[in-house]
Amino acid sequence: GNSVTQMEGPVTLSEEAFLTINCTYTATGYPSLFWYVQYPGEGLQLLLKATKADDKGSNKGFEATYRKETTSFHLEKGSVQVSDSAVYFCALTSNTGNQFYFGTGTSLTVIP
Amino acid sequence: GAVVSQHPSWVICKSGTSVKIECRSLDFQATTMFWYRQFPKQSLMLMATSNEGSKATYEQGVEKDKFLINHASLTLSTLTVTSAHPEDSSFYICSARQGTAMGYNEQFFGPGTRLTVL
Repeated sequence: GNSVTQMEGPVTLSEEAFLTINCTYTATGYPSLFWYVQYPGEGLQLLLKATKADDKGSNKGFEATYRKETTSFHLEKGSVQVSDSAVYFCALTSNTGNQFYFGTGTSLTVIP
Repeated sequence: GAVVSQHPSWVICKSGTSVKIECRSLDFQATTMFWYRQFPKQSLMLMATSNEGSKATYEQGVEKDKFLINHASLTLSTLTVTSAHPEDSSFYICSARQGTAMGYNEQFFGPGTRLTVL
């Protein structure tokens, strides 16, 4: 079956620190992988995506590389800002592109 | 990118009443829409998948008679929580997908609706 496992939070970092949020997946076929961000009281916003192995998704300084050999899609940012405080969800869709499978989310708080 | 709206953004209702939540794709035709439920500090759980003009497919454990889904047009799906109770209080999020081809078709998420049942 399909599933996503991401590191539990909460994560608290100082401004300008390096961020890594681990995400691994289990899937049949060739899934597409995503990171979504949810700010307090809001819905999900697509942060970045990768649709095939070795693709790197990047946006707003965040990046993640689709690693088929390790079934991972870790989220990284070199220097976080207070405005990056949010909950981050790793997700995949199956190769039919129908259903999303979400991880449990990782709460990030960046302090000045 | 494509925009999906939800209305209302939040609603408070009394126990026993029914609440309707709308999900609209504003600038594209959504052949498929999805309804998710999110509990505090938890991930999204898929409730049901609806295709325009046909009955919704519900996930295991979701009561279809309680959560009525209607996908009457290519731009509108509605979720009606019937006879709501406090345990139905949650954040409901819809998403919409354009296209029916096999393979990846991006889904666009609505901003969510916060339902509180007193």
